[in-house]
Amino acid sequence: NAGVTQTPKFRVLKTGQSMTLLCAQDMNHEYMYWYRQDPGMGLRLIHYSVGEGTTAKGEVPDGYNVSRLKKQNFLLGLESAAPSQTSVYFCASSETGAYNEQFFGPGTRLTVL
Amino acid sequence: GIQVEQSPPDLILQEGANSTLRCNFSDSVNNLQWFHQNPWGQLINLFYIPSGTKQNGRLSATTVATERYSLLYISSSQTTDSGVYFCAVGESGGFKTIFGAGTRLFVKA
Repeated sequence: NAGVTQTPKFRVLKTGQSMTLLCAQDMNHEYMYWYRQDPGMGLRLIHYSVGEGTTAKGEVPDGYNVSRLKKQNFLLGLESAAPSQTSVYFCASSETGAYNEQFFGPGTRLTVL
Repeated sequence: GIQVEQSPPDLILQEGANSTLRCNFSDSVNNLQWFHQNPWGQLINLFYIPSGTKQNGRLSATTVATERYSLLYISSSQTTDSGVYFCAVGESGGFKTIFGAGTRLFVKA
């Protein structure tokens, strides 16, 4: 099992460009999450999904959109990237919700110039 | 929302020393996890410990949910223990996990 994988690992964007980050998990987990980590800080929840076809906002959702068309995939989109979105993005999954252990992907380092 | 505080924020140890990291949380939680973020940025699950005590090699953790804190013990520290240790709690009755700001550990050879 690969666990949780993220694509791409690194990306540099110019202000105003768009991109999509892909997260995939092979553990048949219901719940998936997108976090961002800024220097010297813990992770902050952007959006999450409690199952295929569902999404919900986390702590810092502005400027991001998500989709969960397939149970194993969770996509994070930036429609018009801003320098404030320079960060490391982590995806995670768990069997169910807050009662269960979360497993994290390796992260995507995004720089917006 | 739940507040999660970790202490100390920074810690420098000589190889072989022991240490205790603390995580305080402000409200009831469904679960609690400890993670190690290594120097390459990878998040490694250490413990899933909503209550009680667990041990894994040189690491052990204790959560006292009624008093809203958890402790992570590192014994006989090694240079490979360096990195950032995060505590994360699952909010009671909800779906979200809240992270503390972390404890940055450096172990000197």
